[in-house]
Amino acid sequence: DAGITQSPRHKVTETGTPVTLRCHQTENHRYMYWYRQDPGHGLRLIHYSYGVKDTDKGEVSDGYSVSRSKTEDFLLTLESATSSQTSVYFCAISDRDRGYEKLFFGSGTQLSVL
Amino acid sequence: AQKVTQAQTEISVVEKEDVTLDCVYETRDTTYYLFWYKQPPSGELVFLIRRNSFDEQNEISGRYSWNFQKSTSSFNFTITASQVVDSAVYFCALSTLNTGTASKLTFGTGTRLQVTL
Repeated sequence: DAGITQSPRHKVTETGTPVTLRCHQTENHRYMYWYRQDPGHGLRLIHYSYGVKDTDKGEVSDGYSVSRSKTEDFLLTLESATSSQTSVYFCAISDRDRGYEKLFFGSGTQLSVL
Repeated sequence: AQKVTQAQTEISVVEKEDVTLDCVYETRDTTYYLFWYKQPPSGELVFLIRRNSFDEQNEISGRYSWNFQKSTSSFNFTITASQVVDSAVYFCALSTLNTGTASKLTFGTGTRLQVTL
């Protein structure tokens, strides 16, 4: 168990509403990531963080923002949800400083935007 | 730009058959990591293996084996004597080896393996 908790696990929301997904880790790892999984696309990187208040964009960042005010928490926000953001969202962690290149993933959040 | 191609969308085998999942990658970097992850029906992503670009030795772990060939940019995964519990979606992924930066994995689209009795 990599010590990653995602919340909520499932969410249904309406188009145009703001949504925030939370990722919490107990490993004190430096790097955190948000991916989305869609059929035919595999997993695609949305945003990542390399420390408190240090974040950067990934491959599919449009429509998403992130924040990391504490090492253990990485929040993903959809400012105004759209149906194209219906997806499964995975948070992941890695501690590159220790030479761990592999990512450990949370259990995922199923988001449906109606 | 990096790219990972898993051309096999879905594979069905009968239990005890051997099965190979193909993975072809593209990168301009000379140093990189390759990964395989398993996603069972429960949905979590399970790390299976990481291989760096310096090491082309094949690896075996129980019924699992991996064949890394830089000459063909391939990192194929073979399951010997498949079992029903091997039914899952398998993802191949690639990341660069830049020190001090994030491990930004590029994933393939996955291969769904169905093992039946």
